Amino acid sequence: DQQVKQNSPSLSVQEGRISILNCDYTNSMFDYFLWYKKYPAEGPTFLISISSIKDKNEDGRFTVFLNKSAKHLSLHIVPSQPGDSAVYFCAAVEGYGGSQGNLIFGKGTKLSVKP
Amino acid sequence: NAGVTQTPKFRILKIGQSMTLQCAQDMNHNYMYWYRQDPGMGLKLIYYSVGAGITDKGEVPNGYNVSRSTTEDFPLRLELAAPSQTSVYFCASSYSSWDRPGSQAFFGQGTRLTVV
Repeated sequence: DQQVKQNSPSLSVQEGRISILNCDYTNSMFDYFLWYKKYPAEGPTFLISISSIKDKNEDGRFTVFLNKSAKHLSLHIVPSQPGDSAVYFCAAVEGYGGSQGNLIFGKGTKLSVKP
Repeated sequence: NAGVTQTPKFRILKIGQSMTLQCAQDMNHNYMYWYRQDPGMGLKLIYYSVGAGITDKGEVPNGYNVSRSTTEDFPLRLELAAPSQTSVYFCASSYSSWDRPGSQAFFGQGTRLTVV
């Protein structure tokens, strides 16, 4: 059973518009969340993270929102650029001191930003 | 900055053969990980290590072995390759555990393995 779900396999947006990537989780013990970006034939690269004690974290064009009651997080990219076209993975960590080796990944959402 | 280096990038194995996927990092990170990514799926943890001499199983360890004799290297061994092990393998390292802010993982470029 998937603990981290990214229900949209793909998303297409126009350059300059907002991209919103969604992620849902089922494990209430998750308390730290990360987004990774992956280009073809490369390893994932860290994008942004958020702790469960926050509901928003911003880094330049990227903002992550966390709604703990809904067990939902989203990544906003504003404005979207063609170079943002990649697969985005949502990932979660179980509580501090827990399964510290296991970063649980979603299946990913492929974002295409069209010029 | 070399970061995390994986070799080889591609490999085709016959069923029953063995091989070692190499992973090295030059960032003096304590934590290292091996993940596999099957088509259309997220990454799944195979093994991880929190320091030299210490390894532990992840979510999908069967069919694999690891060792961590130095801080820098974390090789992954496949003893009897099976078609189910056809996947892309990623090695990663981090300074601390995932849930410490700022301790994100750095990933290698991956090894695409096909078992036929």
